Amino acid sequence: EAGVTQFPSHSVIEKGQTVTLRCDPISGHDNLYWYRRVMGKEIKFLLHFVKESKQDESGMPNNRFLAERTGGTYSTLKVQPAELEDSGVYFCASSLPGATFEKLFFGSGTQLSVL
Amino acid sequence: QKEVEQDPGPLSVPEGAIVSLNCTYSNSAFQYFMWYRQYSRKGPELLMYTYSSGNKEDGRFTAQVDKSSKYISLFIRDSQPSDSATYLCAMSASGGYQKVTFGTGTKLQVIP
Repeated sequence: EAGVTQFPSHSVIEKGQTVTLRCDPISGHDNLYWYRRVMGKEIKFLLHFVKESKQDESGMPNNRFLAERTGGTYSTLKVQPAELEDSGVYFCASSLPGATFEKLFFGSGTQLSVL
Repeated sequence: QKEVEQDPGPLSVPEGAIVSLNCTYSNSAFQYFMWYRQYSRKGPELLMYTYSSGNKEDGRFTAQVDKSSKYISLFIRDSQPSDSATYLCAMSASGGYQKVTFGTGTKLQVIP
């Protein structure tokens, strides 16, 4: 079974440009999460989808970040326009709903560098 | 003050040693306590989790939670070079909704 897949693995862009990150969760996982690790800091929650609906986007830094989940399948995270402080590793994770404890499966992340 | 504090290391031990990794936290709402392992250029992988206080053992790994002290630990017995990775403690108030708060991670190197 395929795990959580993220594209691209690395992205280098200039300040002011737009970047779109993609996440393909494990098939059947209704829950999808985005997390981010800025250099030297801890991994932090960005937002949570249940199917195509945003349940919690309290971790989104500002309105330059837009997350979507088309048809409850894959998700994209767009940063427009990118700023230097957006550099970091963006992780996607998915889980099956319904259990007392829902195990998160993480992708390998997208390393974003804004120059 | 961070909600979760974790010594970043690095921690270097000889093969076969017992490793102790620790975190402290401040949020009393946390009920689920997790340890993730992250290899270089990979995402975090859940090692084990504990609900509320107590101990949990899985092979060479033992997790301990002391809610009264807001202190959690992970012990690795008979450490192996393949255990070399970054270990992240993580916590959440809910098991069914994984809005997880992570520590910064401790980098462990097990020397053959």
